[in-house]
Amino acid sequence: DTAVSQTPKYLVTQMGNDKSIKCEQNLGHDTMYWYKQDSKKFLKIMFSYNNKELIINETVPNRFSPKSPDKAHLNLHINSLELGDSAVYFCASSQGYSYNEQFFGPGTRLTVL
Amino acid sequence: AQSVTQPDIHITVSEGASLELRCNYSYGATPYLFWYVQSPGQGLQLLLKYFSGDTLVQGIKGFEAEFKRSQSSFNLRKPSVHWSDAAEYFCAVGDGRDDKIIFGKGTRLHILP
Repeated sequence: DTAVSQTPKYLVTQMGNDKSIKCEQNLGHDTMYWYKQDSKKFLKIMFSYNNKELIINETVPNRFSPKSPDKAHLNLHINSLELGDSAVYFCASSQGYSYNEQFFGPGTRLTVL
Repeated sequence: AQSVTQPDIHITVSEGASLELRCNYSYGATPYLFWYVQSPGQGLQLLLKYFSGDTLVQGIKGFEAEFKRSQSSFNLRKPSVHWSDAAEYFCAVGDGRDDKIIFGKGTRLHILP
């Protein structure tokens, strides 16, 4: 069983489109995260949710909107995609704070043409 | 704000040789320190972490790291690398004031047969 899963694994789309990435964890964790990894492998946190409540919103454009329907899911919706949004997006989860081990999903490679 | 620096972008070692990956952090108090590994096409996996106590911490896969306050360093070591250790290694730091950790830019480890 995959602990943290993301769909889709690859996403290729045109500028201006709206797309969503889904994340699910079956570890029973109460905190979930979205990270963006750019082409130089730099990994930066975007959002974190604890028990469906937004904890971290790290100066991400309003075009990005996370949604957590329950503790096990954290989806990322992106409006009006731009070239600079091309990256690998990782979902992660932990029990409690981020100082506990974070478990990462396999990533979603988003390519905006 | 805390920051973390990994001075080496790439490191190449021969299989069986010892390894040391460098990590320096910037923070006034004792930070929370982590090493994560990312295998090609995969998400990140926690190798080890330091919060307090013994400054030499043991992790998975035969890795260890030593916290040196005087040098603001948390270097990762392994006495004998295996070809399967080829991956990207990320040092990360958190300060306990907010629920996020900051990742370094990573060190790509190459293993020569």
